[in-house]
Amino acid sequence: QVQLQQSGPGLVKPSQTLSLTCAISGDSVSSNSAAWSWIRQSPSRGLEWLGWTYYRSKWYNDYAVSVKSRITINPDTSKNQFSLQLNSVTPEDTAVYYCARAAGGSWFDPWGQGTLVTVSS
Amino acid sequence: EIVLTQSPATLSLSPGERATLSCRASQSVSSSLAWYQQKPGQAPRLLIYDASNRATGIPARFSGSGSGTDFTLTISSLEPEDFVVYYCQQRSNWPLVYTFGQGTKLEIK
Repeated sequence: QVQLQQSGPGLVKPSQTLSLTCAISGDSVSSNSAAWSWIRQSPSRGLEWLGWTYYRSKWYNDYAVSVKSRITINPDTSKNQFSLQLNSVTPEDTAVYYCARAAGGSWFDPWGQGTLVTVSS
Repeated sequence: EIVLTQSPATLSLSPGERATLSCRASQSVSSSLAWYQQKPGQAPRLLIYDASNRATGIPARFSGSGSGTDFTLTISSLEPEDFVVYYCQQRSNWPLVYTFGQGTKLEIK
């Protein structure tokens, strides 16, 4: 079955860049029927979809308006994984970050194990 | 942006009882609604997609119904492991955004 394994630092300083990676097993980041997403969860904002990358003859990205100016999601076909970069972070970006596969276009399954990222000096 | 409102925020029931959780959308979302279960310290797990389809491996005691703006997740007979948090989620296309409800916590009475 499809499994997602997240990696990356749990502490980032304000104004710096948050970087996380999600390794995929049991599926391909280049799949023509899936999209690879990042979602975060915090007590103040709840569950918040951040964006995704997907391949349909070429690569596409979509990002949430709330983070569009600061976010990049990239596929890495050589390692079958995808990454999240969030620039200029503030304490409000402190959250548990999840990667997830969007299958069928409207729901997320499965999810990665989650990474608590704290933005603090 | 479509807002999803879940009710109640907390539901107190006993094992073996029937649970009915509600999710109301601020505009019609057709049948594009999913339900997730989240246990403490874990990622959300997909239970129901397209309003009424059980995900792979989900027990038959979980069922979903509804369309348009009003949706329901029903757990027919509560097991001890069901007393956790449940979220609904929808997709809007213009602009593209996925939104989640604020969650319903199911607690043991």
